[in-house]
Amino acid sequence: GNSVTQMEGPVTLSEEAFLTINCTYTATGYPSLFWYVQYPGEGLQLLLKATKADDKGSNKGFEATYRKETTSFHLEKGSVQVSDSAVYFCALNAGGTSYGKLTFGQGTILTVHP
Amino acid sequence: GAGVSQSPSNKVTEKGKDVELRCDPISGHTALYWYRQRLGQGLEFLIYFQGNSAPDKSGLPSDRFSAERTGESVSTLTIQRTQQEDSAVYLCASSAQGSGSNRELFFGEGSRLTVL
Repeated sequence: GNSVTQMEGPVTLSEEAFLTINCTYTATGYPSLFWYVQYPGEGLQLLLKATKADDKGSNKGFEATYRKETTSFHLEKGSVQVSDSAVYFCALNAGGTSYGKLTFGQGTILTVHP
Repeated sequence: GAGVSQSPSNKVTEKGKDVELRCDPISGHTALYWYRQRLGQGLEFLIYFQGNSAPDKSGLPSDRFSAERTGESVSTLTIQRTQQEDSAVYLCASSAQGSGSNRELFFGEGSRLTVL
């Protein structure tokens, strides 16, 4: 079946530090890959996505590259801010009969200190 | 409305009671999803509605769980005879119909259920 494994948290960083949150997946076919973010007190929202191998998704200074050879979609940001403190979820959509059904990782809590 | 709306935001109930959770999707979104998030775990898919098609109920954990949706509007998730392991945040999402694996889901803030 389809699955997503995320780096365990929580992750605590100082402002302006470099961030990596690892994500690997198992899926049949050619899934689309997503990062969703949940800020305190808010619903999950899409951060970025990539729909085919070697695509790079980017938004708000975050980037992730779809690596089919390593089945990975690691999230990176060069310089984090306090406002980036949130829970980050990696997810995949296997398409086909899975239509919009997302398979999520367990989430990684990020806390950024001033 | 502007976003996906869920109610109640918090619900505390006694073991054995029935609960109903409501989701109001974004206007015009044909697809609606229910997910469950238990403490320290990822999101578990529960059920999916797409227009007038038969719903995908493959994620419902037991026959105590059911969901209804009228047309392309409000959905209600019902949990009968609640158990303590049902305690979780229940998330609703909606999406516009589009290319299957590429669609963005828009989530509500969730309904936190606590079963005593």
